Amino acid sequence: EVQLVESGGMLVRPGESLRLSCAASGFKFDNFDSFGMAWVRQAPGKGLEWVSGISASGDNTYYADSVQGRFTIFRDNSKNTVFLDMKTLRAEDTAVYHCAKDYYGSGTYYGWFDPWGQGTQVTVSS
Amino acid sequence: EIVMTQSPAILSVSPGDRATLSCRASQSVSTNLAWYQHKPGQAPRLLIYSASSRAIGIPGRFSGSVSGTEFTLTISSLQSEDVAIYYCQQYNNWAGTFGQGTRVEIK
Repeated sequence: EVQLVESGGMLVRPGESLRLSCAASGFKFDNFDSFGMAWVRQAPGKGLEWVSGISASGDNTYYADSVQGRFTIFRDNSKNTVFLDMKTLRAEDTAVYHCAKDYYGSGTYYGWFDPWGQGTQVTVSS
Repeated sequence: EIVMTQSPAILSVSPGDRATLSCRASQSVSTNLAWYQHKPGQAPRLLIYSASSRAIGIPGRFSGSVSGTEFTLTISSLQSEDVAIYYCQQYNNWAGTFGQGTRVEIK
């Protein structure tokens, strides 16, 4: 069973930067490098918001308008890990950030997810 | 941006009764729609993909259907463990957008 564990969330001040990590394990048939990955966040009292996605090879990346130019997604397939670099953080970036794996693995990015990690809390406040 | 609108916001259903959740897309997303179940403190869980295909391990009481841009998630016989927030998500383009969620409660 594939498991995803996020880390790196913390309290930061507006304008600061942060890097989130998501370590994947438990692959039995297809390897990590067969699957697209994504970050989805949930702000306090709000619903789910897709943030960013990346193809299996890392060649193609996708961003929500709200984070375009500030966030960068990338992956290290040798370490089964996907990252989210977040810069110029704002109060509205406060959320639990979930890492999620594409349901199907064929190299491309599909954009619908299973499983998900439990998330890491990012709080942006002065 | 494709906007997904879910209704109702809160659904109270007696145990064993049917729960019907709706999701409307602001434009065509074909059948590129997924449903997720999210319980507090847990990771969201994929229930349905391609509008009507059940994910592996999902009980048969969960089903999905589509008519144009209107999508429906049906729980045929509500169990106590089904109390959660349910989200629809379109993935017709790479910027997948979620609905605002429907909270399912036990009456």
